[in-house]
Amino acid sequence: AQTVTQSQPEMSVQEAETVTLSCTYDTSESDYYLFWYKQPPSRQMILVIRQEAYKQQNATENRFSVNFQKAAKSFSLKISDSQLGDAAMYFCAYSSPQGGSEKLVFGKGTKLTVNP
Amino acid sequence: DTGVSQNPRHKITKRGQNVTFRCDPISEHNRLYWYRQTLGQGPEFLTYFQNEAQLEKSRLLSDRFSAERPKGSFSTLEIQRTEQGDSAMYLCASSSSSGQSYEQYFGPGTRLTVT
Repeated sequence: AQTVTQSQPEMSVQEAETVTLSCTYDTSESDYYLFWYKQPPSRQMILVIRQEAYKQQNATENRFSVNFQKAAKSFSLKISDSQLGDAAMYFCAYSSPQGGSEKLVFGKGTKLTVNP
Repeated sequence: DTGVSQNPRHKITKRGQNVTFRCDPISEHNRLYWYRQTLGQGPEFLTYFQNEAQLEKSRLLSDRFSAERPKGSFSTLEIQRTEQGDSAMYLCASSSSSGQSYEQYFGPGTRLTVT
């Protein structure tokens, strides 16, 4: 079974600085997707960034970028120029088209605090 | 489109009662998922529909849980004879199987408290 591990239960960053959240995963499949989702307090989960495993280029979305190391099964999220609105739980997630459902497998999350 | 909606947002019930939650997905999405999230944990997959067909169920989904998606539109999740361990946030997500759209869009969730 696929597993996703987030080893940092909590992280903090100063406003305007950069922070990196870690994620590792385990799978035997060759075709899969990786995601970072953000869940602000009492608000719904939103997609931050996604990465297709077959793409070598790391995904970027504005201030958010990933470091995808396929051989190491590592998928970290870098947030640059951190803003107060970035404070949230961040979940790393995995899915695969094999099996049909493409259900998401989530890590336990990292709580990010942004200090003014 | 206003996104995925879920009702009710909060539900408090007594142990042993039945509860039903509703999810309205994004209108053009044919895939619908239910997840459960307990405090301090990431969401865990419960079940998946493609159109009206329920194609996958997690072992987490005991016999007390049932889900439907009539006509491939909205979905309901019913829990019979609720237990305190059922207290959690129940999340619904939808996506499209057309093209390369594999992103799941989440609703705000229904928070269930069983007393």
